[in-house]
Amino acid sequence: GAVVSQHPSRVICKSGTSVKIECRSLDFQATTMFWYRQFPKQSLMLMATSNEGSKATYEQGVEKDKFLINHASLTLSTLTVTSAHPEDSSFYICSAPRDRGKPGNTIYFGEGSWLTVV
Amino acid sequence: KQEVTQIPAALSVPEGENLVLNCSFTDSAIYNLQWFRQDPGKGLTSLLLIQSSQREQTSGRLNASLDKSSGRSTLYIAASQPGDSATYLCAMDNYGQNFVFGPGTRLSVLP
Repeated sequence: GAVVSQHPSRVICKSGTSVKIECRSLDFQATTMFWYRQFPKQSLMLMATSNEGSKATYEQGVEKDKFLINHASLTLSTLTVTSAHPEDSSFYICSAPRDRGKPGNTIYFGEGSWLTVV
Repeated sequence: KQEVTQIPAALSVPEGENLVLNCSFTDSAIYNLQWFRQDPGKGLTSLLLIQSSQREQTSGRLNASLDKSSGRSTLYIAASQPGDSATYLCAMDNYGQNFVFGPGTRLSVLP
């Protein structure tokens, strides 16, 4: 079964509204989670690193105020796309390392979320 | 900064053929290398994970190799089937943190 759960898997929202995507680690604590974005026919690109109890670290070119990341607990990180526009339509996926930095560490991915802004 | 490339970008083969997908990376100081499969409109499916100390991994008809010195990994698919049609991504594990993904190879296996 899934070790990292992501919800919703698909969402359609109107332009100008906000949408929240959740990423949960189901049977382990994740102090760090990663958010990726994939535009059509392109590769997955790291957007930001979500850190439990502190601010997220954003990659260059990613707008902090548009893509709000909250990591309020050791098992949950949320990505909120604020004032969504059609160009934000994309595939968003999270990942969480089970034993970060340790040999044999396994990184689990969520199922991904398809966002369509109309 | 790690850069990952994949060749070919797209591949179309008749059913039953053996094929090789290539992945190249610029920084050999990697933790793990992982091959994923992505079906259209779907998420990622992990296929094979090769730890930095390993040279290859096998699962069924799939075999992945890793040569850190040359910065290359290959995914070998034996006796391809139409159900193998998907995009295949290789990714470097940045010391147990984030992944750096290649652009992918879009595979079509024709019946």
